[in-house]
Formats: sequence, C-alpha cells, structure tokens
Amino acid sequence: NAGVTQTPKFQVLKTGQSMTLQCAQDMNHEYMSWYRQDPGMGLRLIHYSVGAGITDQGEVPNGYNVSRSTTEDFPLRLLSAAPSQTSVYFCASSASFTLSTNYGYTFGSGTRLTVV
Amino acid sequence: AQKITQTQPGMFVQEKEAVTLDCTYDTSDQSYGLFWYKQPSSGEMIFLIYQGSYDEQNATEGRYSLNFQKARKSANLVISASQLGDSAMYFCAMRFSNSGYALNFGKGTSLLVTP
Repeated sequence: NAGVTQTPKFQVLKTGQSMTLQCAQDMNHEYMSWYRQDPGMGLRLIHYSVGAGITDQGEVPNGYNVSRSTTEDFPLRLLSAAPSQTSVYFCASSASFTLSTNYGYTFGSGTRLTVV
Repeated sequence: AQKITQTQPGMFVQEKEAVTLDCTYDTSDQSYGLFWYKQPSSGEMIFLIYQGSYDEQNATEGRYSLNFQKARKSANLVISASQLGDSAMYFCAMRFSNSGYALNFGKGTSLLVTP
C-alpha cells in the first residue's frame, strides 16, 4: 500500500546508545519531515527535507541527524540517546504544492521511543 | 516567528451537537496554508481539512468546516453533528514558506463526545 512506512514501531534504548529511525515513502514526494510528540506539546519539527540531498533543521534538532540520499528515504539518527528524547516520533511526506491545492502531509504510524 | 495557538486543552460536546475548536496563528507571511488533523487514541494522524490563505471561501469537508477569518488570524474548526467516533485530539497546523514547507502545530485540543 502506498504511504509512509516507519520502523520500528517501538524501541527501548539505554542512555548513550545510538540508533536510526527509518522512514520510507513510495509516493515520490519531495517534502519529508520528522516530528516528535510529547504530552501537552503538540508535534514539534525536528528536521525537514525539500528533496534528495537537501535537509535543514527544525525547531528541536539537537541530538538528531538526518540525511536524504534518495527521494524515498529519510532516516533520523539519534547520536547518543538521552532520557529527554523519550517521545513518539512521526515522519511525514508531501508532494509539491501550490497554496490553492490541497496537499497535506501523509504521516507514518509513528515510533514510540523510550530511553532509560 | 510563526506561532499556532489552541487555547482549549479539552472540550466536551454532546452527541449530535456542533462544536467549534479554536485556532489562532501569528505570521507575517502573506502566503500560507492551514490544516486540521485528528489524532484518535490509536495514535495515527488523520488529515481533516485545508485552507489556503488566498482562498476566499471557507473550506468544507463533509461534517468539517473551517471558519477562516484572515484579518483576525483565526482558523476555527467546526464539527457538525458530533459522533462518538469524533472523540480524539485535534491539531491545528500551518505550512509556511520557510521551514521547507513543513508543518507548525498547535498543542492540540482534546475533544470528548458524550452520549
């Protein structure tokens, strides 16, 4: 099925460990982004990409790296996990758009990460 | 800086009644897009409705409508004829030309529909 696939769905890490959250989309979307969701905080933008080879920081980028070597994939790397990174992570993608077109973002199902 | 404000942390509505969820925004951009998403307890993000800043008509999608007041910088979601399945978190979001057209979210409103 077409959409955004995130893996894993659940992960427990120890403080200091590193890992990569995977995100893949098969809709040939240009725009991709990563968000974290914490209780009472809504979704906050971590990193985003406007195309292969182009990434930039969002609101809360510290402790995370991204790359976009292909249109399809946008992995999020935690360099040295901290308890403050315990959260639910969402990846999303969108086609290019104009303001008069109804192109929202398609979200993955999320990754629930716990850092102990 | 762009900011989205949802002032209602929680709302109750009786089944079959209408409910309005508030959203205000702050931006100096002239071109932007406004979205509402629903997040049920299962966690997925479900797109509900979209309004472009240059759209003259308020957006409607089935039981959802967006009360867009550009001069007041508000984009309230109206749900008509509420159903029990409408119980969920609702997020207002904006897409700006900076931040690579990614979404900027409000903190959300938790809606509970009662029988």
